[in-house]
Amino acid sequence: GGIITQTPKFLIGQEGQKLTLKCQQNFNHDTMYWYRQDSGKGLRLIYYSITENDLQKGDLSEGYDASREKKSSFSLTVTSAQKNEMAVFLCASSIWGGNTGQLYFGEGSKLTVL
Amino acid sequence: GQQVQQSPASLVLQEGENAELQCNFSTSLNSMQWFYQRPGGSLVSLFYNPSGTKQSGRLTSTTVIKERRSSLHISSSQTTDSGTYLCAMPPYQGGRALIFGTGTTVSVSP
Repeated sequence: GGIITQTPKFLIGQEGQKLTLKCQQNFNHDTMYWYRQDSGKGLRLIYYSITENDLQKGDLSEGYDASREKKSSFSLTVTSAQKNEMAVFLCASSIWGGNTGQLYFGEGSKLTVL
Repeated sequence: GQQVQQSPASLVLQEGENAELQCNFSTSLNSMQWFYQRPGGSLVSLFYNPSGTKQSGRLTSTTVIKERRSSLHISSSQTTDSGTYLCAMPPYQGGRALIFGTGTTVSVSP
């Protein structure tokens, strides 16, 4: 089995600050994802990447940057933290077969903006 | 756009009661996934690409592909079943990122 590790688990920042979340997976999966979870709104896709150095925007990409420099890692940067961005950020990965893929998640990173 | 509707939004149970959670999809589907999220925790896959009926312990998933729906049955609920249950499906027009429902929050009291 494999594991997805997100760091940090808790991130506290100041409004306007640039903040980075990191994700590592040892499944050797091709595709990695960043989702944001707000209370009562389910999961919304920010970015995903189908291979090293690839980036695909999701519905919520504005205000975020992402980087996939290695197959095993995918980072997400909040370019300018806003108070309404207090949420849980979830990293996931999947291997792709056909047009489906079972998704595996990390433990999440909780962002609080002061 | 493509939507995944879950019902009910929340559910309160007494330990030992059964429950049924529903997931409806606005477009045709060839796969879907059920997840469980414990309070403040990560998502764990319960069922992947179920068609027909599949069982895992006290959980049973029933998916009817041509009716675009799936249900998750919890039998003899326990307090450890408390959490949020989410369903998700791949996008209809390509892409690799699953589209999620908003979840059903289940609270089981002793």
